[in-house]
Amino acid sequence: GAVVSQHPSWVICKSGTSVKIECRSLDFQATTMFWYRQFPKQSLMLMATSNEGSKATYEQGVEKDKFLINHASLTLSTLTVTSAHPEDSSFYICSAGSGTSGRPSRNEQFFGPGTRLTVL
Amino acid sequence: AQSVTQPDIHITVSEGASLELRCNYSYGATPYLFWYVQSPGQGLQLLLKYFSGDTLVQGIKGFEAEFKRSQSSFNLRKPSVHWSDAAEYFCAVGAAGGGNKLTFGTGTQLKVEL
Repeated sequence: GAVVSQHPSWVICKSGTSVKIECRSLDFQATTMFWYRQFPKQSLMLMATSNEGSKATYEQGVEKDKFLINHASLTLSTLTVTSAHPEDSSFYICSAGSGTSGRPSRNEQFFGPGTRLTVL
Repeated sequence: AQSVTQPDIHITVSEGASLELRCNYSYGATPYLFWYVQSPGQGLQLLLKYFSGDTLVQGIKGFEAEFKRSQSSFNLRKPSVHWSDAAEYFCAVGAAGGGNKLTFGTGTQLKVEL
């Protein structure tokens, strides 16, 4: 149980285009989802916290107009990288936290497999 | 603010040898502590977690970790390492009432020599 999927698993796009990444909780409802960015051989950096039905909370230094987050349902959050540039190339990982259904347990996050974004 | 330190960037062990990965945290109250493992190009898999109670926590794949409040540590151990354990390991801390928000350490890359 507590499976989180991401789509696509990898994407290559041209500079200036926008890319949407989906994060789904498959077998539980997630009121909170998180978006992370990971550079090669580095740790996960939290970009934003996404709450169902409300605006996302962005971490300091993250451009909210560039990284658009939508959490329209209890099982889906999307991250759109707008006007992507080569420096946006990275590994993006989402996770889902405790939901109203009672799973997962408190403070636990379940992670998606990640999306590799390459901007040419 | 909470923080996590993983002092060892790289560790190499021989297959069959014991393993200990260090994790130190900084947090004002009782933390929620986690260890995750990440294989190349993959997401994170939870190995084990500590919320309260018994300070020695058993996880998957034969891993265990011990919470030591006096040392602000949550070191990960395995008595006998397998070649398939080679991966990146992350320690993370969450705050009670923090709304699931986690802070990750910088990770330890484990290499297993056959």
